[in-house]
Amino acid sequence: NAGVTQTPKFRVLKTGQSMTLLCAQDMNHEYMYWYRQDPGMGLRLIHYSVGEGTTAKGEVPDGYNVSRLKKQNFLLGLESAAPSQTSVYFCASRTPGTSGGTSTDTQYFGPGTRLTVL
Amino acid sequence: AQSVTQLDSHVSVSEGTPVLLRCNYSSSYSPSLFWYVQHPNKGLQLLLKYTSAATLVKGINGFEAEFKKSETSFHLTKPSAHMSDAAEYFCVVTLPGWGGKLIFGQGTELSVKP
Repeated sequence: NAGVTQTPKFRVLKTGQSMTLLCAQDMNHEYMYWYRQDPGMGLRLIHYSVGEGTTAKGEVPDGYNVSRLKKQNFLLGLESAAPSQTSVYFCASRTPGTSGGTSTDTQYFGPGTRLTVL
Repeated sequence: AQSVTQLDSHVSVSEGTPVLLRCNYSSSYSPSLFWYVQHPNKGLQLLLKYTSAATLVKGINGFEAEFKKSETSFHLTKPSAHMSDAAEYFCVVTLPGWGGKLIFGQGTELSVKP
């Protein structure tokens, strides 16, 4: 298993350009997530999906859109990139599992995409 | 609101000495808690997790953490640091009904001196 993969690994954009980040997982996981990581702030959730065809907003969704047309793929789009979106983007996936109503299963993370917006 | 606070942004230890990375959480419910490690320019790897079973949780690479509800803490420890432990560590919480969404602490950078 490759686990969770992300494409591309690095990208430089100019302000106003658009791009799509691809996340793929081969573990048949139901849930997938997109995070951004900024210095001193840990990871923050952008959007997530609890199954094929579903998406939901996370903590910092503005300026991003997502799609989950296939179970194994979760796409993150930037329609008009801004310098504030310079960050490292991580995708993660997991299978639902709970104990007493609390999530128990591990999220598996991809290697990240480093995006710079000039 | 639920939150996670890592009390030190940077910890420096000598090789062979104990490691203590501190984490406090705020939650109205019984949380699941995790520690993840991130080596430079790498993704995140799960070290260990607490999910309401044993309060002392053992993880990979000799790390362990103890869930203390009375202190709302989940500190990460290791008896003897190794140079390969140098990395950034994140304390993370997830809650019931959140679809598995994680709330991350700000991170603690661990340096290990020879």
